[in-house]
Amino acid sequence: EPEVTQTPSHQVTQMGQEVILRCVPISNHLYFYWYRQILGQKVEFLVSFYNNEISEKSEIFDDQFSVERPDGSNFTLKIRSTKLEDSAMYFCASSRTGYEQYFGPGTRLTVT
Amino acid sequence: QKEVEQNSGPLSVPEGAIASLNCTYSDRGSQSFFWYRQYSGKSPELIMFIYSNGDKEDGRFTAQLNKASQYVSLLIRDSQPSDSATYLCAGANYGGSQGNLIFGKGTKLSVKP
Repeated sequence: EPEVTQTPSHQVTQMGQEVILRCVPISNHLYFYWYRQILGQKVEFLVSFYNNEISEKSEIFDDQFSVERPDGSNFTLKIRSTKLEDSAMYFCASSRTGYEQYFGPGTRLTVT
Repeated sequence: QKEVEQNSGPLSVPEGAIASLNCTYSDRGSQSFFWYRQYSGKSPELIMFIYSNGDKEDGRFTAQLNKASQYVSLLIRDSQPSDSATYLCAGANYGGSQGNLIFGKGTKLSVKP
């Protein structure tokens, strides 16, 4: 069964550094999303992406964040200058129809 | 503020019993609701979704939606120890967007052998 994949599984970075989190959505899916989950808290929506552009973004998704689909398979989340409070699990999700969303295994980001 | 509320639990049931998980939501524009299972340290796994009032059954799982009461539930029949996890309820509003999911904090379920 096709799955969303994410790399790396764990990323440690220093405050102020840029990080890029990578996702490969399920191949025939058209809608892509990033969510994050701070330890012990709820899953929070960051951004949705369809037809090569951002569809919607949350208040969390400020100018420090960007997303890109550089080729036909990858979907990336960039954080330009990481802060301590960016430490969280970041989940990529994809959907064929825009309804059911399937999550990848996540990238644990630790900012020191 | 769009909110999805869940009792954090833990909810403890014996093996073979019915587990009942509940969720309320504040956004009357929410049209579809999703139940995800999340094992500790893992990502959310989609179990079921529902968008019409009433019941929807899939194997041991039944989702129930009451839009008038803004209430969603998930019943797990014949609970197994492997069902022990946190269950996340999420709502989606498709008006003008691709339906980003608003999650509750989740209910932790423990099924005792």
